[in-house]
Amino acid sequence: GDSVTQMEGPVTLSEEAFLTINCTYTATGYPSLFWYVQYPGEGLQLLLKATKADDKGSNKGFEATYRKETTSFHLEKGSVQVSDSAVYFCALSGRGAQKLVFGQGTRLTINP
Amino acid sequence: GAVVSQHPSRVICKSGTSVKIECRSLDFQATTMFWYRQFPKKSLMLMATSNEGSKATYEQGVEKDKFLINHASLTLSTLTVTSAHPEDSSFYICSAEPGGDEQFFGPGTRLTVL
Repeated sequence: GDSVTQMEGPVTLSEEAFLTINCTYTATGYPSLFWYVQYPGEGLQLLLKATKADDKGSNKGFEATYRKETTSFHLEKGSVQVSDSAVYFCALSGRGAQKLVFGQGTRLTINP
Repeated sequence: GAVVSQHPSRVICKSGTSVKIECRSLDFQATTMFWYRQFPKKSLMLMATSNEGSKATYEQGVEKDKFLINHASLTLSTLTVTSAHPEDSSFYICSAEPGGDEQFFGPGTRLTVL
């Protein structure tokens, strides 16, 4: 079945550092890919998404590119802030399917 | 943006009792709602898909008689954990879909069964 694998956390960085959180997936067909963020005490929020190969999703300085050849959707940000501290989830949904399949989540802590 | 609430946010109950968790879409109508379970340091696992006015569709391995789901209106779905046991302790999260491909998530409910 479909699956998503994220890099193990937790990840701790200093403010203004470059961030990469790796995400790879296994799916039949051409899924849509998502990054969700969960701030402390809040529900998951959609951060960005991409629906086809080579699409780049971006939001709040975060970017991720749908790479079909490497089945990856790595999350990047050039300069992180303390307010980016949260848990980040990579997810996919199969074509025409409503269901989301999540990775295990990566806890990110940014120190001032 | 679309807001989804869950109630209660935290519940502690004795083994053998039943617990009801509510999921509400506050500013939109949701034809479909989803219930997830999240174990510590683990991913969210989909338990069931709930469509308004029809029976929920459960994922493989999820006991439908233990986790009762009711989606009686376009803004409310409930999950009842019947005869709860300590192994049911977990973080339960719902999401709602107004149409299209984006789900909006509730803040979650922490269930502790003693």
